[in-house]
Amino acid sequence: DGGITQSPKYLFRKEGQNVTLSCEQNLNHDAMYWYRQDPGQGLRLIYYSQIVNDFQKGDIAEGYSVSREKKESFPLTVTSAQKNPTAFYLCASSAGTGRSQETQYFGPGTRLLVL
Amino acid sequence: GNSVTQMEGPVTLSEEAFLTINCTYTATGYPSLFWYVQYPGEGLQLLLKATKADDKGSNKGFEATYRKETTSFHLEKGSVQVSDSAVYFCALRRSSASKIIFGSGTRLSIRP
Repeated sequence: DGGITQSPKYLFRKEGQNVTLSCEQNLNHDAMYWYRQDPGQGLRLIYYSQIVNDFQKGDIAEGYSVSREKKESFPLTVTSAQKNPTAFYLCASSAGTGRSQETQYFGPGTRLLVL
Repeated sequence: GNSVTQMEGPVTLSEEAFLTINCTYTATGYPSLFWYVQYPGEGLQLLLKATKADDKGSNKGFEATYRKETTSFHLEKGSVQVSDSAVYFCALRRSSASKIIFGSGTRLSIRP
C-alpha cells in the first residue's frame, strides 16, 4: 500500500530538548510539506521541499528545522527555540507542484506534548 | 493576500438532513479549490477538488461548484450520515505557489 507514515503517534518533549518527528512516503512524490495544527484552527505551513536537498521556510518556520536527504523522507526537528511546541503535526506530499500534481496527501499526524 | 473563509462551527444536524458548509476565497487569478476532511485523531483526506470556474467536484455524495463570480466553493450533501461527522477544511492553491492555504475548519456533528 502506498502512503505516508508518521512516527511516533505521540511524542513528549522536556524543556530545552530537541525532538525529531519522522515522515516517510512511498508514493514517489517530489514535494513534501510540514504543517502545524492547533486546536480549533486551520493548518499552518512550517517548511516545504519541492525536491531532494532543497527546502524552503513556510509561514511559521522559527524554532523548527528540516532536512531532505532522501526523496522519501522529510524529518522535522522541533528545537528548544520553539517556545510553544504543543500541537498536532501533519506531514504531506504531492507528486509535484504543477496543476495536475498539486493534490497533497497527508499522513496520520504526530501529537507533540510538552512535559 | 490570498485567504479562505469558511463558516464557523460547530454545525449539528440530524441524520438524512441537507448539508451546506459555506466557503469563500480571496485570490488573484484562477486558484485550485479543495475540500479536505479530518476524522478525529487522523490526518486530512482529500474529499474533492475543482481547478477552474464552473467545475463541480464530487465524491461520496458531497459536491462543490467553483463559482468565480461569487468567489465561493460551498460544500453540499443531500443526506448526511452519522459517519460524516468530522472537521471539514476548505483550501486553495494558486497555480504559481507551492503551498495550499487552508480555512480554519468547520466541525460537523450528525445526530442519529
